[in-house]
Amino acid sequence: GAVVSQHPSRVICKSGTSVKIECRSLDFQATTMFWYRQFPKQSLMLMATSNEGSKATYEQGVEKDKFLINHASLTLSTLTVTSAHPEDSSFYICSARDPLRGLAGGPTDTQYFGPGTRLTVL
Amino acid sequence: AQSVTQLDSHVSVSEGTPVLLRCNYSSSYSPSLFWYVQHPNKGLQLLLKYTSAATLVKGINGFEAEFKKSETSFHLTKPSAHMSDAAEYFCVVISYSSASKIIFGSGTRLSIRP
Repeated sequence: GAVVSQHPSRVICKSGTSVKIECRSLDFQATTMFWYRQFPKQSLMLMATSNEGSKATYEQGVEKDKFLINHASLTLSTLTVTSAHPEDSSFYICSARDPLRGLAGGPTDTQYFGPGTRLTVL
Repeated sequence: AQSVTQLDSHVSVSEGTPVLLRCNYSSSYSPSLFWYVQHPNKGLQLLLKYTSAATLVKGINGFEAEFKKSETSFHLTKPSAHMSDAAEYFCVVISYSSASKIIFGSGTRLSIRP
């Protein structure tokens, strides 16, 4: 149980185009999902917290108009990288919090991670 | 404020020998602590978590970790390393507060020598 999928796993695009990445919780409902970015040989950097039915909360320094997040349902969050540039090339990972598998409704519920999406902007 | 420090960026052990990956944390509130493993170009897999129950936590693949409040540590151990354990390991802390955030350690790369 507690499986999170991401699609696509790998995408190559031209500079200036937009790319959408999907994150799905397959066997549980996730009111909160998280988007991370990971540079080679580095740790994960939290970009934003995605809440179902409301606006995402972005971390300091992350451009909300550049990285559009939509959490339309309890099992799906999308990250759209708009007008992508080579510096946006990175490994993007989502996670979903399963409130039924941890403290009741607490923020310390376990997060389950997707397999990641490798974005390469040419 | 909360933070997590993984003391070693790289650990190399021989197959069959014990593994120790060190993690220290700071938190103003009672934290939940996690260890995740990441294989190359893959997402993160939960190894184990501590959430104020037993201080010795057993996880998957023979890993375990002990929460030591007096030392603010949550070191990950395994009695006998296997080649398949070679990966990046992340220690993660979340404090249960109104401003709680998930904080990742910088990661420790574990290499296994034949």
